Amino acid sequence: DIQLTQSPSFLSASVGDRVTITCRASQGISSDLAWFQQKPGRAPKLLIYAASTLQSGVPSRFSGSGSGTEFTLTISSLQPEDFATYYCQQRNNYPLTFGGGTKVEIK
Amino acid sequence: EVQLVESGGGLVQPGGSLRLSCAASGFTFSDHYMDWVRQAPGKGLEWVGRTRNKANRYTTEYAASVKGRFTISRDDSKRSLYLQMNSLKTEDTAVYYCTRVTTGNYYLANWGQGTLVTVSS
Repeated sequence: DIQLTQSPSFLSASVGDRVTITCRASQGISSDLAWFQQKPGRAPKLLIYAASTLQSGVPSRFSGSGSGTEFTLTISSLQPEDFATYYCQQRNNYPLTFGGGTKVEIK
Repeated sequence: EVQLVESGGGLVQPGGSLRLSCAASGFTFSDHYMDWVRQAPGKGLEWVGRTRNKANRYTTEYAASVKGRFTISRDDSKRSLYLQMNSLKTEDTAVYYCTRVTTGNYYLANWGQGTLVTVSS
């Protein structure tokens, strides 16, 4: 199975900060990576797919980059509604796998 | 608007069975692969399995943790997805989400609100 390691697992930031989350794959997965946002008690929401393509309706302050084994999710200017947990997920191989999550909290 | 509504969750004893359903609307259900993903309380996301569409013979894939115990099926005429769960274990306790897989690039684009399954004696 492909392991996805997210870092950090917890992040404390202020409104307006630039935030970067990293996801490392245990083997190369090309650009077959998605990022999800999940708020407490809610279903995950797709933010980015194919490593860097913004899902329709997602604000442009979110961006993704990377390929192979290292990927990043960047929020250019953190907004109050962005405080949530973020997950990466690979679709390169079965079983599909998720990273352990990064919780973004208010500083 | 895409809508996915899960039902069928509840409390079941270890070793028991449960069948979850997911009612889909707002898209051409028969065209899409559909997945189940679960989340244990306070934990991360775990992919459970997938059913492909008719064009791909409704073939399925499963996570190792559920293979042989869980079965994913679908009824395109009813726009419904199912998850038959047998030989349930306490570690199967989770919120189960139904997800729509995008055609062509196979990402989990839409999620239902989830249904809670609790396995406990």
